[in-house]
Formats: sequence, structure tokens, C-alpha cells
Amino acid sequence: EPEVTQTPSHQVTQMGQEVILRCVPISNHLYFYWYRQILGQKVEFLVSFYNNEISEKSEIFDDQFSVERPDGSNFTLKIRSTKLEDSAMYFCASRGRVPYNEQFFGPGTRLTVL
Amino acid sequence: QKEVEQNSGPLSVPEGAIASLNCTYSDRGSQSFFWYRQYSGKSPELIMSIYSNGDKEDGRFTAQLNKASQYVSLLIRDSQPSDSATYLCAVKAAGNKLTFGGGTRVLVKP
Repeated sequence: EPEVTQTPSHQVTQMGQEVILRCVPISNHLYFYWYRQILGQKVEFLVSFYNNEISEKSEIFDDQFSVERPDGSNFTLKIRSTKLEDSAMYFCASRGRVPYNEQFFGPGTRLTVL
Repeated sequence: QKEVEQNSGPLSVPEGAIASLNCTYSDRGSQSFFWYRQYSGKSPELIMSIYSNGDKEDGRFTAQLNKASQYVSLLIRDSQPSDSATYLCAVKAAGNKLTFGGGTRVLVKP
């Protein structure tokens, strides 16, 4: 069964450093998402991406964050200058065509900012 | 602020019993409703989706939706120890994003 994959599974970085989290969505899906979950808290929406542009973003997704689909398979989240509070699990999700609204999540990247 | 609320639990049920989980949401424009299961340290795994009022059954799981009451529920029949997890209610209104509740932790005791 097709699944969303993410790399790395765990990323440790120093505060102020840039990180890139990578995702390979399900191959025929058109809508891509990033969510994050701080330990013990709710899953929070960051950004959605469709047709090579951001379609929606949350207040969390400020200028420090960017997304890109550099080729036909990868979808990346970049955090330019990490902060301690960016430490969280980051989940990529993808969705197929309407009317299928189901979003399928990848295994996540645990980001630890020291 | 659009909210999705769940009882955090833990909901303790004996093996073989029915677990009943509830979720309320604040946005009347919500269109699509989902239940995800999340094991500790893992990602959300989609269990059920429901879009119209009434019941939807899939195996041991039944989702129930009442848009007038802004209420969605999940029943797990014949609960197994492997069902022990946190169950997340997620709601999609207009737009693309899912808004998640905080989850209900379910413990199934053998």
C-alpha cells in the first residue's frame, strides 16, 4: 500500500541553524501538508501546498518557514533559523483528488533544537 | 478560534467491551470529519472518515455524526489490547487544513 515517507526520522540541531525536512508524498496525490506536534500537545496545521504554491498557512508558519517541491516527488519544509520552541514532531501529509478528503500522514521527523 | 474538543481520558475498557469516544467542534461550516489513531511516538493513522449525518461502520469501528449538535463519535467494538492508543478527532472546514482535538487516550485491559 502506498505511503508517505519522511527523512530524517530524527534531526538534532543547534539554535539558529537551518534545517530541511524531507517528505515523499503518495505518488498520485496532489495536495501536500505539514503539521507539527509539540510533545504532549495537539497536532497543529502549518501549511498546505497545491499546484506548486502555498494554498493556506497558519500563524505559526512565519517568515522562518518555507516549503518547496523541488522535483516531482519530494516536498520539503525549511526552517531558516531554528529556535528552541521549534522542537517538535513534524508530520508531512498528502491527499488525493476531491472528493477524497482523507489526509495520510508520514511517520514524522523528530526535530530537537539545542 | 475554531476548536475541536475531546475528553483527554484515559478511557479504560475491559477487553471485548465497547469503547465510546466523543468529540465536539465549534465551526458550523465544518464539512469533513476524521478519526485518527496515534500510538505513542508515532504518527496519526487514519481510521475513519465521515461526511454526512448518521452512522458509518468499518469493521469494529463505527463513526457517528450529528451536525446539528456539532458532535462526532467513535465506537470501538470488541476492544483489543492493541486498540490501546490515543484517538484523535480531526475536522475540516472550508479550506484545506485539519483541526485536531487533543485526543482521548484509550486503555484496553486484558
